[in-house]
Amino acid sequence: AQSVAQPEDQVNVAEGNPLTVKCTYSVSGNPYLFWYVQYPNRGLQFLLKYITGDNLVKGSYGFEAEFNKSQTSFHLKKPSALVSDSALYFCAVRVLVSYNTDKLIFGTGTRLQVFP
Amino acid sequence: EAGVVQSPRYKIIEKKQPVAFWCNPISGHNTLYWYLQNLGQGPELLIRYENEEAVDDSQLPKDRFSAERLKGVDSTLKIQPAELGDSAVYLCASSLVWGGEQYFGPGTRLTVT
Repeated sequence: AQSVAQPEDQVNVAEGNPLTVKCTYSVSGNPYLFWYVQYPNRGLQFLLKYITGDNLVKGSYGFEAEFNKSQTSFHLKKPSALVSDSALYFCAVRVLVSYNTDKLIFGTGTRLQVFP
Repeated sequence: EAGVVQSPRYKIIEKKQPVAFWCNPISGHNTLYWYLQNLGQGPELLIRYENEEAVDDSQLPKDRFSAERLKGVDSTLKIQPAELGDSAVYLCASSLVWGGEQYFGPGTRLTVT
């Protein structure tokens, strides 16, 4: 079955330290991978995506993600965390259901808490 | 540029009552999605529209849920009758084209008592 896994329910990091939020996927074919962030009482905001090309993808707010095909992972990273980065992060993979139908499969989310 | 607009933001109803959610996508976005997000979970697709056509409604519980997108712009999602298990956040999203980045609205938090 095609799926996305976020193995950590919560990640805690001190402000200024690097952060990593993990994501692994299981899909047939080449994956289209996405990261979204959700702040309280807000909708999901697109951060970045990987479709093809360079394995290191840069996105909004200083975030980046590294696609690793052999490990089927797409971990989200940031060199220096900010308190304002505290939010719920979702990894998603786009899967083709039929020739004209696709869907985004989301992970269960990882809550990032950045402490001052 | 305005984002995806949803209303109401919050709704509390008693079970067996009907409820409707409204979504206005980003101008020019042909693809519109409705998602259901349960607490502690990622969003799950309910239905996708390409303009006014529902091209994927396989996950929509059609016995009580219905949706429409008249004129290919605004969309309404309806539940009738609502059940306790329908309590969740209903998210609307739109994208310029099929397969592009999806932009989400703030959602409607439904509580069924």
